[in-house]
Amino acid sequence: AQSVTQLDSQVPVFEEAPVELRCNYSSSVSVYLFWYVQYPNQGLQLLLKYLSGSTLVESINGFEAEFNKSQTSFHLRKPSVHISDTAEYFCAVNSQGGSEKLVFGKGTKLTVNP
Amino acid sequence: NAGVTQTPKFQVLKTGQSMTLQCAQDMNHEYMSWYRQDPGMGLRLIHYSVGAGITDQGEVPNGYNVSRSTTEDFPLRLLSAAPSQTSVYFCASSRSTSWYEQYFGPGTRLTVT
Repeated sequence: AQSVTQLDSQVPVFEEAPVELRCNYSSSVSVYLFWYVQYPNQGLQLLLKYLSGSTLVESINGFEAEFNKSQTSFHLRKPSVHISDTAEYFCAVNSQGGSEKLVFGKGTKLTVNP
Repeated sequence: NAGVTQTPKFQVLKTGQSMTLQCAQDMNHEYMSWYRQDPGMGLRLIHYSVGAGITDQGEVPNGYNVSRSTTEDFPLRLLSAAPSQTSVYFCASSRSTSWYEQYFGPGTRLTVT
């Protein structure tokens, strides 16, 4: 069975500071990894994903995540955050070979303060 | 395209009442799912469907029923509402295989008193 651990439930940072949101997963098979973002009072939307190939993946709004197979991690980073990045971020995993059940972490609430 | 739509946006039920949360998608996606979101719990899968006529249970299926008579629609039925079912419910859809992005609806906030 797969599982996802997001180590921090809340991360407060100041605007223009760097941020890292941590995600570790557990799976007995190869995985696909995702980060979803949920802005207040909205549904989730995909931020970025790792399927294969380069272990560093990027989003269009400056976030990046690195797949580390030996540490079973997929941490999300941004070098300089904006107020508009305030949201809840969810890490998710699905197994290659298609269980078709996406398993989510419990989420990290990122608050960017002026 | 409207994407994934959910109705209603808000609902208050009394304990024991039944209701159906509606979900529809216009992207011809095979895979649809229902999640509930509770504070500090993340998203938990209730039921999912890999195509019309095919449904299966997720992590927390008790108290909920689903059916999938068409590709577009995937309603979630609460048979006899309980306060423990107070939550925000999200419907999602995607193409059938596990690496595709899931598209989420805006959610239904349900309160059971």
